[in-house]
Amino acid sequence: DAGVIQSPRHEVTEMGQEVTLRCKPISGHDYLFWYRQTMMRGLELLIYFNNNVPIDDSGMPEDRFSAKMPNASFSTLKIQPSEPRDSAVYFCASSFLGVGNTEAFFGQGTRLTVV
Amino acid sequence: EDQVTQSPEALRLQEGESSSLNCSYTVSGLRGLFWYRQDPGKGPEFLFTLYSAGEEKEKERLKATLTKKESFLHITAPKPEDSATYLCAVRDSGYSTLTFGKGTMLLVSP
Repeated sequence: DAGVIQSPRHEVTEMGQEVTLRCKPISGHDYLFWYRQTMMRGLELLIYFNNNVPIDDSGMPEDRFSAKMPNASFSTLKIQPSEPRDSAVYFCASSFLGVGNTEAFFGQGTRLTVV
Repeated sequence: EDQVTQSPEALRLQEGESSSLNCSYTVSGLRGLFWYRQDPGKGPEFLFTLYSAGEEKEKERLKATLTKKESFLHITAPKPEDSATYLCAVRDSGYSTLTFGKGTMLLVSP
């Protein structure tokens, strides 16, 4: 398996523009997580899905953020409109929470810069 | 609320100089403590999972241990390629998510 795949790897956009980040989880995994990483706050959970259903979005900072998982192999995180304080690295992770399997596997991340 | 605190924030070692990284945690019920390694510009890479106090796991020069309040990542005779940020995370019982510490940035000089 190629692992968790995220695109794009880098995104530079102007304030006010819409940004869409994409994620393909590992095949067979039933959990998908979106995290944001900054120097100040470290890794923060934004939202997670189980079997394509959003379970907890309490980490989504504002209504400007939204996430979808239309099928088991694809998820998006959208920011509209984007602001400079949204600049961070966004990670997608997936896992299969069975007996003896509890770790999450991360993608390479999308580095977002909003100018 | 789950809390994870890692220390030190940064550590500089000479090649071959052994040391330990600390991860203190507070959870209502531990369902797993995880160590990850993160290289610059990359995503966290899974290293170990520990489930109960007294458990130990090893991988090359790394050994992770767990007590009821903290975990240690021991690095024996480190090499420059061990330089990375090491992240600790916990999963609380009843939850599917990981709560991460801010990490320890390790630099091993030749």
